[in-house]
Amino acid sequence: DGGITQSPKYLFRKEGQNVTLSCEQNLNHDAMYWYRQDPGQGLRLIYYSQIVNDFQKGDIAEGYSVSREKKESFPLTVTSAQKNPTAFYLCASRDYWGRGGKDTQYFGPGTRLTVL
Amino acid sequence: DQQVKQNSPSLSVQEGRISILNCDYTNSMFDYFLWYKKYPAEGPTFLISISSIKDKNEDGRFTVFLNKSAKHLSLHIVPSQPGDSAVYFCAASASQGGSEKLVFGKGTKLTVNP
Repeated sequence: DGGITQSPKYLFRKEGQNVTLSCEQNLNHDAMYWYRQDPGQGLRLIYYSQIVNDFQKGDIAEGYSVSREKKESFPLTVTSAQKNPTAFYLCASRDYWGRGGKDTQYFGPGTRLTVL
Repeated sequence: DQQVKQNSPSLSVQEGRISILNCDYTNSMFDYFLWYKKYPAEGPTFLISISSIKDKNEDGRFTVFLNKSAKHLSLHIVPSQPGDSAVYFCAASASQGGSEKLVFGKGTKLTVNP
């Protein structure tokens, strides 16, 4: 089955620690995205990558870092510099030619990060 | 500056009736619009989209209407079912300039009562 997987589902971290969230897709999509969702805030773009070894900052990139060494994988590191890291993190990939048409993004199940 | 606005945080309807969710946008460069449905603690799922060259797109119980002059779109769900209870996000993108990004509204929580 093709899809996007994120692990773990729930993650706890102590203040001051870096943590890496995993995102893997086997849909052969070129573009991948990271969002965070906070209550009442909708989805805000953290980073995105259109091709391997290339990525761009989104609207709220401060305190985060990413890498894109493989087409299938786009891990997100939440660093200790992120002031408010507790949130629900969503990974997505883009399907240019699918049912939704251009620019349609498909999402993974999300990771809930809680900083203690 | 919120470019995509969903002004109703919540909506409650009876099963079998029509649900109408609204979305307004300010950026005239937006030319592609999508609706996503999201259950708690899950990722959003794609519902339906519409290009700016159309004013209506249907998919089963879901229809999206686009009014470009008013910069307004709406999602109609007919008939509404209890399983439709979720948060619905409107999103938009602009193809000019090679933008790869979607801009999301803050969502509307739909509750369909049996």
